[in-house]
Amino acid sequence: EVQLLESGGGLVQPGGSLRLSCAASEFTFSSYAMSWVRQAPGKGLEWVSAISGSGGNTYYADSVKGRFTISRDNSKNTLFLQMNSLRAEDTAVYYCAKKGPIGVIITYFDYWGQGTLVTVSS
Amino acid sequence: QLVLTQSPSASASLGASVKLTCTLSSGHSSYTIAWHQQQPEKGPRYLMKLNSDGSHSKGDGIPDRFSGSSSGAERYLTISSLQSEDEADYYCQTWDTGIVVFGGGTKLTVL
Repeated sequence: EVQLLESGGGLVQPGGSLRLSCAASEFTFSSYAMSWVRQAPGKGLEWVSAISGSGGNTYYADSVKGRFTISRDNSKNTLFLQMNSLRAEDTAVYYCAKKGPIGVIITYFDYWGQGTLVTVSS
Repeated sequence: QLVLTQSPSASASLGASVKLTCTLSSGHSSYTIAWHQQQPEKGPRYLMKLNSDGSHSKGDGIPDRFSGSSSGAERYLTISSLQSEDEADYYCQTWDTGIVVFGGGTKLTVL
C-alpha cells in the first residue's frame, strides 16, 4: 500500500523559514508528479505546489509564489517544501499528495499523507 | 475562472442515501473532477475520479456504496446505506494547466 509520511512541521516566527519533507514508499516515486496541499485550521483544502516526476517542472499557487520552493530527491523517495518569509496565514496542516495514474503533472490525487502542522506565530 | 461550488452541509439518517453536489463554473462543464473524503482529525482519502459523462473510477478499497454521476456542470457523489463512519467532510477537486482547485467542502452529518 502506498505510504506518504510528512515531517518537519512546527512553530516558527513570522518571517522565518521551515522545510517540510514527505517520505514516499510502495510505488515508483520518480514516475509520479507530487503536490503539497494545505488546510488552515477549520478551513478547506488549498493546493500549494506541484512538481513533475523528474523534478524539472514546478507549479505554485499565487499565494506562495516567490516564497515557497518545491523539490524532490528521487534517490531517497522524498518530496520537500522549503517555506521562506512565512506569514500567519501560512498556518495550516500541510499534506503531500500523489498524482493519480491518469493525466499529466497537474491532475487528481489518489493518495494523501496524514499531514504535518505548521504554526506561524510570534 | 475555474471554480467548484459545494453546499456547506448535508445530513441524512443512518442506513439512508445522500447525494452531494459539486458544481463547475460557467465554461467548465466538461471538466473531470475527483471526490475526496476527510474524516475528523484525519488526512483526506481519495474516493473517485468522475468524468463529465458520469463514468468514474474509484480508489482502492472504496465500497460499492459510493458512486458518482454527472449532469451538465453538476457532479454528484451518492452514498447509499449510510454508516456512522461516513460522517465526514467531502471535497471535490479539479484541475487545469498549472492549477488545482478544490470546492469548499460539504460537511455530512449522519443522523
